[in-house]
Amino acid sequence: DTEVTQTPKHLVMGMTNKKSLKCEQHMGHRAMYWYKQKAKKPPELMFVYSYEKLSINESVPSRFSPECPNSSLLNLHLHALQPEDSALYLCASSKSGTGASGANVLTFGAGSRLTVL
Amino acid sequence: KQEVTQIPAALSVPEGENLVLNCSFTDSAIYNLQWFRQDPGKGLTSLLLIQSSQREQTSGRLNASLDKSSGRSTLYIAASQPGDSATYLCAVTMDSSYKLIFGSGTRLLVRP
Repeated sequence: DTEVTQTPKHLVMGMTNKKSLKCEQHMGHRAMYWYKQKAKKPPELMFVYSYEKLSINESVPSRFSPECPNSSLLNLHLHALQPEDSALYLCASSKSGTGASGANVLTFGAGSRLTVL
Repeated sequence: KQEVTQIPAALSVPEGENLVLNCSFTDSAIYNLQWFRQDPGKGLTSLLLIQSSQREQTSGRLNASLDKSSGRSTLYIAASQPGDSATYLCAVTMDSSYKLIFGSGTRLLVRP
């Protein structure tokens, strides 16, 4: 299995809703990432988990809450979002979260397109 | 602060043409550089990874070069095909933290 699977593919939510995005990989990768991508813009890093521990938080608002229950799963819990949070949310994984040469080739999922009304 | 720029922003070429996409970065102390492809509304596919000590990498019809001292990388696509139509993004990392800094991309259209 060489894929990163993201669910749901599309999500529409109101500003008072609580929802979650899910990401799963079975490649034995130990680093997992959340990126946010607005239309016609490059992806922006949100969080990095390395060996199931949060290693990077790019000053993301607390209405986004990541969770890594095990080495194969990564969740992004959403609460009280704003319309400007509407975007494509991309999950990625790589072999390691440390500096091994060539280990950080990222495999991306297809993304979850979020619309906040 | 590292800034990554890609020129041109959009490119339209006839099928069969060889083409070059450009990526420049302001801080030459990069750890590595990657080229990605993104189809509309989809995730990213890693095409080539060049370590800071390398000058180029090749995969099939793709060749990526890196000149750290001048802060530039190019992606060469030989014999372009309509299936190559996509947005191509370059990204650098500055250390082993794996934080990718992306350029804004080049939208490529290969016309049949």
